[in-house]
Amino acid sequence: ETGVTQTPRHLVMGMTNKKSLKCEQHLGHNAMYWYKQSAKKPLELMFVYSLEERVENNSVPSRFSPECPNSSHLFLHLHTLQPEDSALYLCASSLSIAGTTDTQYFGPGTRLTVL
Amino acid sequence: AQSVTQLGSHVSVSEGALVLLRCNYSSSVPPYLFWYVQYPNQGLQLLLKYTTGATLVKGINGFEAEFKKSETSFHLTKPSAHMSDAAEYFCAVTGEGNYQLIWGAGTKLIIKP
Repeated sequence: ETGVTQTPRHLVMGMTNKKSLKCEQHLGHNAMYWYKQSAKKPLELMFVYSLEERVENNSVPSRFSPECPNSSHLFLHLHTLQPEDSALYLCASSLSIAGTTDTQYFGPGTRLTVL
Repeated sequence: AQSVTQLGSHVSVSEGALVLLRCNYSSSVPPYLFWYVQYPNQGLQLLLKYTTGATLVKGINGFEAEFKKSETSFHLTKPSAHMSDAAEYFCAVTGEGNYQLIWGAGTKLIIKP
């Protein structure tokens, strides 16, 4: 595996379910990101981790809970979601957050549908 | 505060024609500017970026963009469109000391045969 991988690629869940999204990067990067991509809207940055520590939480509802056990893995735990949470969730990584011009490398995303 | 405006949610061009995707930004600090491309069912991939130096930046797949400070623009161009260029294109800005990218809403490029 190379680059940034995400599983599952598609997820359908009910409002009372609990599920998790997984992201893994094989690039040796130290920073990882969760984004929400909704149609016709700019990408929304949800969480940022640097060296496994959360450095950003952009007013994301508590029904989204991130976890970064090591610099290669990032999870997004989901519970009691709302239909408006349906979107494409993208994971990205970069060398660090110190280099503001560092390229972010994206995974293919998880298409989430909340019924 | 920084913001990005991409003019046109959809742009349609004929194969072989010039591609022009517009991006305007606002920034209170010298900007760093990026163009990313998203092919169907894939994540975003960096096309090119401007940080400092030469204002005409060349990227992958024959794309280039020019930073025009006076116009606060960073438009993306390609002389001759190919069917494989059909994708969604995103412009983003950040600035010194800020790792967060501010994104435009994207422009979907449609190539007509």
